[in-house]
Amino acid sequence: AQSVTQLGSHVSVSEGALVLLRCNYSSSVPPYLFWYVQYPNQGLQLLLKYTSAATLVKGINGFEAEFKKSETSFHLTKPSAHMSDAAEYFCAVISLWGGATNKLIFGTGTLLAVQP
Amino acid sequence: SQTIHQWPATLVQPVGSPLSLECTVEGTSNPNLYWYRQAAGRGLQLLFYSVGIGQISSEVPQNLSASRPQDRQFILSSKKLLLSDSGFYLCAWSDWGGEQFFGPGTRLTVL
Repeated sequence: AQSVTQLGSHVSVSEGALVLLRCNYSSSVPPYLFWYVQYPNQGLQLLLKYTSAATLVKGINGFEAEFKKSETSFHLTKPSAHMSDAAEYFCAVISLWGGATNKLIFGTGTLLAVQP
Repeated sequence: SQTIHQWPATLVQPVGSPLSLECTVEGTSNPNLYWYRQAAGRGLQLLFYSVGIGQISSEVPQNLSASRPQDRQFILSSKKLLLSDSGFYLCAWSDWGGEQFFGPGTRLTVL
């Protein structure tokens, strides 16, 4: 079975500071991994995805994540936080289900606050 | 390009009333379709999943049902709402590529 653990349900950073959101996965097969962002009262938007190509994945809004198999991690980073980055972030891993398609397993989310 | 629509955007319903939420996808064929619920402080819960017309899989036993009458239409229903049905309902679609694309959501408040 596959699972995702997001460490820290709430993270607060100052504007301009490094953003680091942690995600660890468990998977018996090579995983596909995703980061999504959700702004208040909106749907989830895909930030970036890892699909077994380059281990450093760049996404939208200046975010990137590095797949580290030895650490079973897929942490999300951004060098300099903006006020507009305040949102909830979800890490997800794919689980093959039903033989015909894919079911995403989501972490419990990390709420990012950016202080001025 | 593909788009996904959900309506209504917000809904306030009394306990015991029926529910119908609709989701439609444009610009793709034979998508996989999903219904999720977000309750306060509880993350994303997958409710239903569909790989084709009339094919519905339920993740958890509950007061809700889903139907897929057309290829790109997915409906979430209830005959009698409970207080615990309140939450933010999200529809999503995917192709085989894995990532899911989410609609704007429906905020349901049951009073």
